[in-house]
Amino acid sequence: DAGVTQSPTHLIKTRGQQVTLRCSPISGHKSVSWYQQVLGQGPQFIFQYYEKEERGRGNFPDRFSARQFPNYSSELNVNALLLGDSALYLCASSWGGGANTEAFFGQGTRLTVV
Amino acid sequence: QQQVKQSPQSLIVQKGGISIINCAYENTAFDYFPWYQQFPGKGPALLIAIRPDVSEKKEGRFTISFNKSAKQFSLHIMDSQPGDSATYFCAARKGSAGNTPLVFGKGTRLSVIA
Repeated sequence: DAGVTQSPTHLIKTRGQQVTLRCSPISGHKSVSWYQQVLGQGPQFIFQYYEKEERGRGNFPDRFSARQFPNYSSELNVNALLLGDSALYLCASSWGGGANTEAFFGQGTRLTVV
Repeated sequence: QQQVKQSPQSLIVQKGGISIINCAYENTAFDYFPWYQQFPGKGPALLIAIRPDVSEKKEGRFTISFNKSAKQFSLHIMDSQPGDSATYFCAARKGSAGNTPLVFGKGTRLSVIA
Protein backbone atom coordinates (compact mmCIF):
# COMPACT_ATOMS: atom_id res chain seq x y z
CA ASP A 1 0.00 0.00 0.00
CA ALA A 2 1.21 3.47 -0.82
CA GLY A 3 1.87 5.75 2.09
CA VAL A 4 1.22 9.46 2.23
CA THR A 5 2.61 11.09 -0.89
CA GLN A 6 3.52 14.75 -1.16
CA SER A 7 4.60 16.78 -4.14
CA PRO A 8 6.86 18.39 -4.97
CA THR A 9 9.67 17.19 -2.67
CA HIS A 10 11.65 20.40 -3.01
CA LEU A 11 10.71 23.88 -4.11
CA ILE A 12 12.48 27.21 -4.36
CA LYS A 13 10.38 30.36 -4.56
CA THR A 14 11.01 34.08 -4.46
CA ARG A 15 9.58 36.39 -1.81
CA GLY A 16 6.10 37.55 -2.72
CA GLN A 17 5.32 34.54 -4.88
CA GLN A 18 2.60 32.00 -4.28
CA VAL A 19 3.05 28.26 -3.81
CA THR A 20 0.78 25.19 -3.88
CA LEU A 21 1.74 21.98 -2.14
CA ARG A 22 -0.09 18.72 -2.70
CA CYS A 23 -0.84 15.68 -0.59
CA SER A 24 -2.42 12.31 -1.27
CA PRO A 25 -3.47 10.45 1.88
CA ILE A 26 -3.32 6.73 2.51
CA SER A 27 -6.17 4.92 0.77
CA GLY A 28 -9.20 4.87 3.06
CA HIS A 29 -8.05 7.78 5.19
CA LYS A 30 -10.44 10.70 5.31
CA SER A 31 -8.49 13.19 7.39
CA VAL A 32 -5.55 15.25 6.20
CA SER A 33 -3.56 17.65 8.34
CA TRP A 34 -0.81 20.07 7.39
CA TYR A 35 2.16 20.93 9.58
CA GLN A 36 5.09 23.32 9.22
CA GLN A 37 8.45 22.20 10.54
CA VAL A 38 11.13 24.82 10.83
CA LEU A 39 14.68 23.48 11.03
CA GLY A 40 15.46 22.26 14.52
CA GLN A 41 11.87 22.46 15.78
CA GLY A 42 8.89 20.16 16.09
CA PRO A 43 6.06 20.29 13.54
CA GLN A 44 3.53 23.07 14.06
CA PHE A 45 -0.13 22.51 13.14
CA ILE A 46 -1.50 24.57 10.25
CA PHE A 47 -4.78 22.99 9.10
CA GLN A 48 -6.87 19.88 9.50
CA TYR A 49 -9.51 18.64 7.09
CA TYR A 50 -11.92 15.78 7.64
CA GLU A 51 -14.47 14.68 5.08
CA LYS A 52 -13.61 17.76 3.00
CA GLU A 53 -14.44 20.20 5.77
CA GLU A 54 -11.97 22.31 7.72
CA ARG A 55 -11.91 21.00 11.28
CA GLY A 56 -9.08 23.03 12.71
CA ARG A 57 -6.72 25.87 12.03
CA GLY A 58 -3.48 26.68 13.77
CA ASN A 59 -1.97 30.06 14.52
CA PHE A 60 -0.95 30.96 10.97
CA PRO A 61 -1.78 34.08 8.95
CA ASP A 62 -4.49 34.24 6.31
CA ARG A 63 -1.81 33.89 3.65
CA PHE A 64 -2.09 30.19 4.36
CA SER A 65 -5.11 28.34 2.98
CA ALA A 66 -5.98 24.77 2.18
CA ARG A 67 -8.67 22.57 0.79
CA GLN A 68 -9.57 18.90 0.56
CA PHE A 69 -10.95 17.33 -2.59
CA PRO A 70 -13.65 14.63 -3.00
CA ASN A 71 -10.91 11.98 -3.32
CA TYR A 72 -9.54 13.22 0.06
CA SER A 73 -6.34 14.61 -1.43
CA SER A 74 -5.42 18.07 -0.27
CA GLU A 75 -3.63 21.23 -1.29
CA LEU A 76 -1.92 23.82 0.87
CA ASN A 77 -1.56 27.28 -0.61
CA VAL A 78 0.69 30.01 0.69
CA ASN A 79 0.45 33.51 -0.78
CA ALA A 80 2.87 36.43 -0.60
CA LEU A 81 5.74 34.24 0.53
CA LEU A 82 8.11 35.52 3.19
CA LEU A 83 11.62 34.34 3.97
CA GLY A 84 10.26 32.96 7.24
CA ASP A 85 7.98 30.57 5.35
CA SER A 86 11.05 28.49 4.47
CA ALA A 87 10.41 25.15 6.14
CA LEU A 88 9.52 21.50 5.66
CA TYR A 89 5.78 21.23 5.08
CA LEU A 90 4.35 17.95 6.23
CA CYS A 91 1.08 16.30 5.42
CA ALA A 92 -0.40 13.78 7.85
CA SER A 93 -3.06 11.27 6.96
CA SER A 94 -5.39 9.51 9.37
CA TRP A 95 -8.65 7.63 9.24
CA GLY A 96 -10.07 10.35 11.46
CA GLY A 97 -13.05 8.40 12.64
CA GLY A 98 -12.35 7.58 16.25
CA ALA A 99 -10.07 7.50 19.25
CA ASN A 100 -6.42 6.57 18.99
CA THR A 101 -6.45 7.28 15.27
CA GLU A 102 -2.85 7.15 14.22
CA ALA A 103 -1.44 9.90 12.03
CA PHE A 104 1.01 8.97 9.30
CA PHE A 105 3.25 11.58 7.77
CA GLY A 106 4.51 12.02 4.25
CA GLN A 107 8.14 12.79 3.46
CA GLY A 108 7.35 16.48 3.28
CA THR A 109 7.94 19.31 0.84
CA ARG A 110 11.05 21.36 1.51
CA LEU A 111 10.18 24.97 0.65
CA THR A 112 12.96 27.51 0.35
CA VAL A 113 12.02 31.16 -0.07
CA VAL A 114 14.80 33.41 -1.38
CA GLN B 1 2.96 28.83 25.48
CA GLN B 2 4.61 25.49 24.93
CA GLN B 3 2.11 22.78 25.73
CA VAL B 4 4.54 19.87 25.45
CA LYS B 5 8.05 20.27 26.84
CA GLN B 6 10.68 17.76 25.76
CA SER B 7 14.13 17.06 27.17
CA PRO B 8 16.98 16.67 26.62
CA GLN B 9 17.55 18.61 23.41
CA SER B 10 20.31 16.20 22.43
CA LEU B 11 21.53 12.85 23.72
CA ILE B 12 24.58 10.71 23.10
CA VAL B 13 24.37 7.04 24.09
CA GLN B 14 26.78 4.16 23.73
CA LYS B 15 25.72 1.24 21.57
CA GLY B 16 23.80 -1.23 23.69
CA GLY B 17 22.85 1.40 26.26
CA ILE B 18 19.44 2.78 27.22
CA SER B 19 18.23 6.04 25.70
CA ILE B 20 15.70 7.98 27.77
CA ILE B 21 13.74 10.98 26.50
CA ASN B 22 11.28 12.83 28.68
CA CYS B 23 8.20 14.94 27.98
CA ALA B 24 5.87 16.95 30.17
CA TYR B 25 2.51 18.35 29.25
CA GLU B 26 0.21 20.97 30.68
CA ASN B 27 -3.21 20.35 29.19
CA THR B 28 -5.07 17.66 31.13
CA ALA B 29 -7.42 17.26 28.17
CA PHE B 30 -4.65 15.48 26.26
CA ASP B 31 -5.47 11.80 26.04
CA TYR B 32 -3.27 10.38 23.31
CA PHE B 33 0.53 10.50 23.44
CA PRO B 34 2.55 9.27 20.45
CA TRP B 35 6.28 9.26 19.82
CA TYR B 36 7.69 9.90 16.37
CA GLN B 37 11.12 9.17 14.89
CA GLN B 38 12.49 11.39 12.16
CA PHE B 39 15.54 10.86 10.00
CA PRO B 40 17.10 13.78 8.09
CA GLY B 41 15.11 14.66 4.99
CA LYS B 42 12.22 12.41 5.96
CA GLY B 43 8.84 12.90 7.55
CA PRO B 44 8.19 11.75 11.13
CA ALA B 45 7.37 8.06 11.50
CA LEU B 46 5.10 6.83 14.29
CA LEU B 47 7.02 4.65 16.77
CA ILE B 48 4.67 3.93 19.63
CA ALA B 49 1.71 5.60 21.34
CA ILE B 50 -0.07 5.41 24.68
CA ARG B 51 -3.36 6.44 26.29
CA PRO B 52 -3.42 7.75 29.89
CA ASP B 53 -5.33 4.72 31.19
CA VAL B 54 -2.13 2.64 31.13
CA SER B 55 1.19 3.38 32.79
CA GLU B 56 3.47 1.56 30.39
CA LYS B 57 3.48 0.23 26.86
CA LYS B 58 6.24 -1.81 25.27
CA GLU B 59 6.86 -2.59 21.63
CA GLY B 60 10.12 -4.37 20.93
CA ARG B 61 13.00 -2.23 22.22
CA PHE B 62 10.75 0.82 22.68
CA THR B 63 8.82 1.49 25.90
CA ILE B 64 6.62 4.41 26.88
CA SER B 65 6.24 5.13 30.59
CA PHE B 66 3.33 7.37 31.54
CA ASN B 67 2.75 9.22 34.82
CA LYS B 68 -0.69 10.84 34.72
CA SER B 69 -0.44 12.58 38.09
CA ALA B 70 2.87 14.20 37.17
CA LYS B 71 1.71 14.89 33.61
CA GLN B 72 4.87 13.32 32.28
CA PHE B 73 5.73 10.56 29.85
CA SER B 74 8.99 9.16 28.59
CA LEU B 75 10.45 7.01 25.83
CA HIS B 76 12.98 4.35 26.67
CA ILE B 77 15.03 2.75 23.90
CA MET B 78 16.67 -0.43 25.12
CA ASP B 79 19.84 -1.83 23.56
CA SER B 80 20.28 1.34 21.53
CA GLN B 81 21.81 0.86 18.08
CA PRO B 82 23.56 3.26 15.67
CA GLY B 83 20.52 2.91 13.38
CA ASP B 84 18.44 4.51 16.14
CA SER B 85 20.33 7.76 15.62
CA ALA B 86 17.59 10.20 14.66
CA THR B 87 15.45 12.99 16.07
CA TYR B 88 12.63 11.89 18.35
CA PHE B 89 9.48 13.89 18.97
CA CYS B 90 6.87 13.40 21.63
CA ALA B 91 3.39 14.65 20.88
CA ALA B 92 -0.02 14.91 22.46
CA ARG B 93 -3.57 15.19 21.25
CA LYS B 94 -6.84 15.94 23.01
CA GLY B 95 -10.29 14.70 22.38
CA SER B 96 -11.68 11.26 21.76
CA ALA B 97 -11.94 11.71 18.00
CA GLY B 98 -8.98 11.22 15.75
CA ASN B 99 -9.50 14.44 13.87
CA THR B 100 -7.76 16.75 16.31
CA PRO B 101 -4.27 18.15 15.82
CA LEU B 102 -1.08 16.85 17.35
CA VAL B 103 0.97 19.15 19.57
CA PHE B 104 4.68 18.33 19.31
CA GLY B 105 7.65 18.79 21.57
CA LYS B 106 10.76 20.44 20.16
CA GLY B 107 12.55 17.18 19.59
CA THR B 108 15.57 15.27 20.90
CA ARG B 109 18.49 14.53 18.65
CA LEU B 110 19.80 11.07 19.57
CA SER B 111 23.25 9.88 18.56
CA VAL B 112 24.17 6.28 19.28
CA ILE B 113 27.91 5.73 19.08
CA ALA B 114 29.74 2.42 18.79
